[in-house]
Amino acid sequence: SAVISQKPSRDICQRGTSLTIQCQVDSQVTMMFWYRQQPGQSLTLIATANQGSEATYESGFVIDKFPISRPNLTFSTLTVSNMSPEDSSIYLCSVERGLTEAFFGQGTRLTVV
Amino acid sequence: AQSVTQLGSHVSVSEGALVLLRCNYSSSVPPYLFWYVQYPNQGLQLLLKYTTGATLVKGINGFEAEFKKSETSFHLTKPSAHMSDAAEYFCAVRGRSDYKLSFGAGTTVTVRA
Repeated sequence: SAVISQKPSRDICQRGTSLTIQCQVDSQVTMMFWYRQQPGQSLTLIATANQGSEATYESGFVIDKFPISRPNLTFSTLTVSNMSPEDSSIYLCSVERGLTEAFFGQGTRLTVV
Repeated sequence: AQSVTQLGSHVSVSEGALVLLRCNYSSSVPPYLFWYVQYPNQGLQLLLKYTTGATLVKGINGFEAEFKKSETSFHLTKPSAHMSDAAEYFCAVRGRSDYKLSFGAGTTVTVRA
């Protein structure tokens, strides 16, 4: 298994500001994933973060809005930039063990006012 | 790309009654299939998964699911609902050579006393 710690667990932010979410894993992993879960909706993959390379973004998500860092094999950050109320969501970090095991952090509950 | 459909956004059952959550996937090749549960204000927890072999898969908390290739389905069941089963349930699919998880829209389960 993998233990994932996300910080902060929740935050209330002013529109126009940015928030950086941290994800720490208790073991080395190749790929880390960032998901968004909008209120009452399912999870949508934002991007995949590999250590030592640029993150790969899914359709509808851009680096300027959601910059990601992956400085080592156990840590990643996701920044939500220039926030608007539409960014209010739960943001989840996830890691894989092969193709058959995915583990998730507790999520960061973001409210933009 | 894989896709998954969960039938029914809300399911209400009486305590002790059968829980049945429906999930269908679209893929020409049987993918890896997963059921996750999300309790209020928490991240996602894996209930069970199908990768290969036996088509009836048993998971945690008394849940099980059956992979039916002919019906492209992976429905989740529990014979007797407990109040603690109230949560959001997500079906997810991944292609056998794909690292991306695709999630269904989710089904909210409420349990009546």
